[in-house]
Formats: sequence, C-alpha cells, structure tokens
Amino acid sequence: DVQLQESGPGLVKPSQSLSLTCSVTGYSITSGYYWNWIRQFPGNKLEWMGYISYDGTNNYNPSLKNRISITRDTSKNQFFLKLNSVTTEDTATYYCARGWLLSYWGQGTLVTVSA
Amino acid sequence: DIVMTQSPSSLAMSVGQKVTMTCNSSQSLLNTSNQKNFLAWCQQKPGQSPKLLVYFASTRESGVPDRFIGSGSGTDFTLTISSVQAEDLADYFCQQHYSTPFTFGSGTKLEIK
Repeated sequence: DVQLQESGPGLVKPSQSLSLTCSVTGYSITSGYYWNWIRQFPGNKLEWMGYISYDGTNNYNPSLKNRISITRDTSKNQFFLKLNSVTTEDTATYYCARGWLLSYWGQGTLVTVSA
Repeated sequence: DIVMTQSPSSLAMSVGQKVTMTCNSSQSLLNTSNQKNFLAWCQQKPGQSPKLLVYFASTRESGVPDRFIGSGSGTDFTLTISSVQAEDLADYFCQQHYSTPFTFGSGTKLEIK
C-alpha cells in the first residue's frame, strides 16, 4: 500500500528557511505521478504549493514566487520542500500527496513560524 | 488562477437526509480532448488529512460508498450525499486539476444534528 509521511521541524523563526521531507513507501517516486506539497492554513484554506514529477521536473505555484524549491533523493524514495524567507503567514499544516488527483496524502505536519 | 467557489460554507443535517453542496469554477474545467471535467472532491474528517472521494467530477474513488454522488460539467458541480451517515461529519473541498496552479474551494463543513 502506498504511504507518505512528512517530517521536519515544527517551529521555524521568521526570515529563516522551512525544510520538510516526504518519505514514500509502497511506490517508487521515479515510476510515475506528480509528487506534491500542499499546505492548509489555520481556518482550513488549502493551497497547492508545487510538485516534482517522476522525471524530476518541477511546477510551482507562482504565489510562492522564488521562495520555493522541491527536490528529491531517489535512492531514499524521498522528496523535499524548502521554503525560504518564511513569515508568520507561512504557519500551516504541510502535506505531501501523490498525483494530480491527490489520491494519497501524508498525515501532515504542523509548522509554526514564530520568534 | 482558477477560482473555486463552494456553497454553503456549512450545513447541519440529520442522519438519513439528502445533502447537496455546490462548487463553481471561474472557468470551464472540461477537457475537450477527452470530454472529462477535471474536478475532484475530497473529504477531511476532524484531525485527519484530506481523502479523495470523487474525480473527473463523477467517478468515485475505489472504496468510497455509493451514497456519494458527484455531478456537473463545465463550471458548475455538485456533490450529493444521498443518505447522510454520522461518519460523514467532515469538511468537503472541491479541487480543480485542469491547470496549475491547482486550486481548492474554501470548503463546506457538514455537521450532523
């Protein structure tokens, strides 16, 4: 069965970078699909942040401008989110999910941006 | 960006009642090459991550009960729960996967009386 699991720091200071890992089991991230990062703000609004495709290509939400980077380690079957220059408005639960249908989600990890 | 608008924002229903919620997109989600609408519905129960219920506007994901019925085309879509159950207490979101950036509606919160 396909499973995704997010991990990373739960607290980040303003102006620093947020870095998260999504570990995937049950399916190789190089075999197919887009591998997405999505976040959910307090109040429940969902925002698609971007993806890395099975072939390594990226697509990012323009709203995040040049702050976002999604990379991967195929040997560990993991992909990563890095968000630079965070502010308190980046406080959210961060999810990784598979495919453009978002058919599998991780359990999410809460990241709080605070001094 | 395609703007997704959901209504109502919340509703409270009794077990066994029929529930209808709507989702409208700011542009058509119909892919004319395959005649499929690139609209999905997901369910988020309290404390859980979202779960895909319906895709291509009307195709139920494997394992989803048949009381969940998606319909609509173009810019107007509906999710119907034919006979709501207590376990359907959740937030329901629509999501377009027609073009990036993928976007979501603001959600409908379903409460059970």
